Amino acid sequence: GENVEQHPSTLSVQEGDSAVIKCTYSDSASNYFPWYKQELGKGPQLIIDIRSNVGEKKDQRIAVTLNKTAKHFSLHITETQPEDSAVYFCAASSMNYGGSQGNLIFGKGTKLSVKP
Amino acid sequence: DVKVTQSSRYLVKRTGEKVFLECVQDMDHENMFWYRQDPGLGLRLIYFSYDVKMKEKGDIPEGYSVSREKKERFSLILESASTNQTSMYLCASSSHRGQPQHFGDGTRLSIL
Repeated sequence: GENVEQHPSTLSVQEGDSAVIKCTYSDSASNYFPWYKQELGKGPQLIIDIRSNVGEKKDQRIAVTLNKTAKHFSLHITETQPEDSAVYFCAASSMNYGGSQGNLIFGKGTKLSVKP
Repeated sequence: DVKVTQSSRYLVKRTGEKVFLECVQDMDHENMFWYRQDPGLGLRLIYFSYDVKMKEKGDIPEGYSVSREKKERFSLILESASTNQTSMYLCASSSHRGQPQHFGDGTRLSIL
């Protein structure tokens, strides 16, 4: 089945710097890649997603890139702010995962700290 | 906006008890999911449902069961709670397979 690796597990940046979180996936049939932000005491919230027919997607200060050949995708946050501090999860949706087609497989998360 | 509501934010139960965690979504979504979240392990899928009265096992179904009698409600049941089921439990819903999942704020369950 699908396997998603996420790096780094922790990331500390200064306010205003950029942050990059990387994920790799194993199933070449995966075609949907969302990113979630989880703040303390809350559930994960979808912040951006990308499908396999697109190489890059931007939404204000966040962007996601996808390299299907290498099977990896990345989250880029520019001009980081203290409120960006949270745990970020990547995920991939595999259509070849037996009876669980379309289910999300999550990375283990990255704890991002933005220091003022 | 999609609203996924979990009935309890914190719950403390004793070993051997039967525990019910409730989840309700208000967007008429077809799919509902139960995950547990543990430090360093990410989100692991326990059970999911693609339709009323339908359920399928996820990656870690042992010790759990589910019920979906109505489209908007998905219940997770710990038949006989054990200490290794102490965890954060997250419910999610999505309109269709391969579509974004929307999460509740979780239930932190402690089994003593």
